[in-house]
Amino acid sequence: DSGVTQTPKHLITATGQRVTLRCSPRSGDLSVYWYQQSLDQGLQFLIQYYNGEERAKGNILERFSAQQFPDLHSELNLSSLELGDSALYFCASSVDSGQGTYEQYFGPGTRLTVT
Amino acid sequence: KNQVEQSPQSLIILEGKNCTLQCNYTVSPFSNLRWYKQDTGRGPVSLTIMTFSENTKSNGRYTATLDADTKQSSLHITASQLSDSASYICVVSGGRGSTLGRLYFGRGTQLTVWP
Repeated sequence: DSGVTQTPKHLITATGQRVTLRCSPRSGDLSVYWYQQSLDQGLQFLIQYYNGEERAKGNILERFSAQQFPDLHSELNLSSLELGDSALYFCASSVDSGQGTYEQYFGPGTRLTVT
Repeated sequence: KNQVEQSPQSLIILEGKNCTLQCNYTVSPFSNLRWYKQDTGRGPVSLTIMTFSENTKSNGRYTATLDADTKQSSLHITASQLSDSASYICVVSGGRGSTLGRLYFGRGTQLTVWP
């Protein structure tokens, strides 16, 4: 158990819908990262928040957005869902802003299926 | 073009044998290199983190090497076990300016250990 929690574990929805994925980082960690992993694909970095502020942006679509709340939990919002958005979405947390060698701990992931 | 390339894409070995996985990167400037193990459907787990000044780092039966001059790393697994069957992901931290500290992921090597 990494200490990072993600909900829900599984999510099935239809095309065009909107969903929200939630992540709670490890106690004391200030950074939250979101990743997408499609079938047989590598991890794709989406976005990072550090202490409530957006820190870095990766290959995140305009239909996707995220935020980090004062209690440091984060939500990833996916809208106008398409079949290609079906993937595992991982959240990770670390204590630093990403420039050092601190560990990044991954949550168990949310499996999203768009039908 | 992906800035982190791993080889081989997949590998099958017999239990008890050794194997070596390769990682080449072009990320510059370079901060650190990580190896992760990811079991199917689960979040990645860190094996090693190395900075540019480190050549070798071990974690049990896992030994990572780094040549920052040639931008190459390898992960050597000794006396493989069935539980080593997983995807092994090379991750490089680097960049400058707005991408400083960003993590660049390889596509992974899928290792299968047969009894």
